[in-house]
Amino acid sequence: EVQLVESGGGLVKPGGSVRLSCAASGITFSDLWMNWVRQAPGKGLEWVGRIKSETDGGTTDYAAPVKGRFTISRDDSKNTLYLQLNSLKTEDTALYYCSTDIPMTGGTNFAYWGQGTLVTVSS
Amino acid sequence: QSALTQPASVSGSPGQSITISCTGTSSDVGNYNLVSWYQQHPGKAPKLMIYEVIKRPSGVSSRFSGSKSGTTASLTISGLQADDEADYFCCSYAAYNTLIFGGGTKLTVL
Repeated sequence: EVQLVESGGGLVKPGGSVRLSCAASGITFSDLWMNWVRQAPGKGLEWVGRIKSETDGGTTDYAAPVKGRFTISRDDSKNTLYLQLNSLKTEDTALYYCSTDIPMTGGTNFAYWGQGTLVTVSS
Repeated sequence: QSALTQPASVSGSPGQSITISCTGTSSDVGNYNLVSWYQQHPGKAPKLMIYEVIKRPSGVSSRFSGSKSGTTASLTISGLQADDEADYFCCSYAAYNTLIFGGGTKLTVL
């Protein structure tokens, strides 16, 4: 059974930083293209960014609102995905999910989800 | 890049069929057959219902179907059931290796 477990969320001041983690099990993590998706309280889903597998180059792509402030990385030896959030704004307050697609579908869907970790940006 | 456009709400009675639309542009929905749909119950993580416009993941009921015409994708739910009441989100692959979601539609089963 595929399991994704996020951690690292909490209360952060505007301009601050936090690093989120997503631990994967039940699946060959190194083969996966991994995404972060966020959901502000009471709002819709927003794609944050993605990292490809190392086999496919390990490159990253980001949504415009977070580009230059957020960084996605991975440690395949630990089956763990990371999201470094810098220069945080109040509008970054959201539940952050990690997610991956149906294998071999090119990273264009979100088949497996964690339970999310909440980041609250407030002074 | 603006979110894909979905109706804020739709409703239907048990047993009926409903369709939720998702309108994008020629840079996303209109240019790629890479639209997916998600069901989200309150307090839960989203669940993939349709991918690549028309494909159903294993375990998803055949009552759920997807289609696309031009820059508008659609999710149809037939034989509505009480448990179908949830929020539904569409998502499309877009230019520059990005993905974009719709604003979401609240489905009420009357």
